[in-house]
Amino acid sequence: EAGVTQFPSHSVIEKGQTVTLRCDPISGHDNLYWYRRVMGKEIKFLLHFVKESKQDESGMPNNRFLAERTGGTYSTLKVQPAELEDSGVYFCASSQVRASWHTGELFFGEGSRLTVL
Amino acid sequence: AQSVSQHNHHVILSEAASLELGCNYSYGGTVNLFWYVQYPGQHLQLLLKYFSGDPLVKGIKGFEAEFIKSKFSFNLRKPSVQWSDTAEYFCAVNAGDTGRRALTFGSGTRLQVQP
Repeated sequence: EAGVTQFPSHSVIEKGQTVTLRCDPISGHDNLYWYRRVMGKEIKFLLHFVKESKQDESGMPNNRFLAERTGGTYSTLKVQPAELEDSGVYFCASSQVRASWHTGELFFGEGSRLTVL
Repeated sequence: AQSVSQHNHHVILSEAASLELGCNYSYGGTVNLFWYVQYPGQHLQLLLKYFSGDPLVKGIKGFEAEFIKSKFSFNLRKPSVQWSDTAEYFCAVNAGDTGRRALTFGSGTRLQVQP
């Protein structure tokens, strides 16, 4: 069974440009999360989808970030326009059941490293 | 809101040494606690978790953690580390009484085990 896959693994862009990160969760996983880790600090929650609906987007830093999950399968996270402070590693995770917080097992992708110059 | 503090940012040990990584959280309600590990070049994976019951939980690869409610702590331990334990370790908490599913992570502890 394929794990959570993320693309690209590394993206280097200039300030003001746009980047779109993609996450393919494990097949059948309704829950999809985006997290971000900046400069070796803590891994911060961005948002949570249940199928195609945004369940919790309290961690989204500002309106330059747009996440979608059309059809409840893969998700994209767009940063437009990118700023220097957006640099970091963006992790995607998925889980299967609605009560996933009971099990706590999130399956993570390897992350997409974003460098904004 | 919850927060997690990991005291050690970088730990260097020799093989066979004992390990204890500190984790403290701040939240007054019921919590679910986790340790995740990221081996070099790999994705984050669950090491162990605590939801209720016995406060001493055992995970994979010989790791264990003890939940001490009075100290708001969930320290990770291993009696004898191996070179293959070299990785970054993250403590995480979830508020068990809110239904909010998102995990709050600490800043991680990088463990380097020297052969």
